[in-house]
Amino acid sequence: DAKTTQPPSMDCAEGRAANLPCNHSTISGNEYVYWYRQIHSQGPQYIIHGLKNNETNEMASLIITEDRKSSTLILPHATLRDTAVYYCIVSLVTQGGSEKLVFGKGTKLTVNP
Amino acid sequence: SQTIHQWPATLVQPVGSPLSLECTVEGTSNPNLYWYRQAAGRGLQLLFYSVGIGQISSEVPQNLSASRPQDRQFILSSKKLLLSDSGFYLCAWTGLRNTEAFFGQGTRLTVV
Repeated sequence: DAKTTQPPSMDCAEGRAANLPCNHSTISGNEYVYWYRQIHSQGPQYIIHGLKNNETNEMASLIITEDRKSSTLILPHATLRDTAVYYCIVSLVTQGGSEKLVFGKGTKLTVNP
Repeated sequence: SQTIHQWPATLVQPVGSPLSLECTVEGTSNPNLYWYRQAAGRGLQLLFYSVGIGQISSEVPQNLSASRPQDRQFILSSKKLLLSDSGFYLCAWTGLRNTEAFFGQGTRLTVV
């Protein structure tokens, strides 16, 4: 089962910031938070990841709470092309050392003109 | 640079027929490999993952199997397809722990 909880859908006006929340209350100390998005009929695309510090790249910013039990993905100026399903994932490591990526249901973000 | 190839892009198969989907990765060695399925309107379900040649972990009981005959090759198979096997199948790989995952373009399978 996925270790994250996200709202099923959100709307955002074009040009405004989109703030997508994620709860991961059972995250362990060495697990990272990843964000991916999936545009219809395509494979998921990596956006950003972080451990405990806030992160920023050319696509988005990731804000992780101090207790690491939740995070927020911020798209600073949403465009129509940002309409997609956004997945928040906590990385899992099995006994074999692999990273087992378990996706939840994600948040369907709709950017409106 | 690393790339991932997945084929075919679309496939229509009759119930009871066999299935073989292939995924190959270039530009890296010892990747962790994954097969996911996405039913219409649903999220991504992890089917199999592999940390090395011949090492396959199955996540859910199902009509499918996976094999990894070479380091950068991952194959999804079925001996007899069911209608419920229809969906969008995605292959992915990761490298060192806590790096991003790269996904193929997917195969849309319709079982009729």
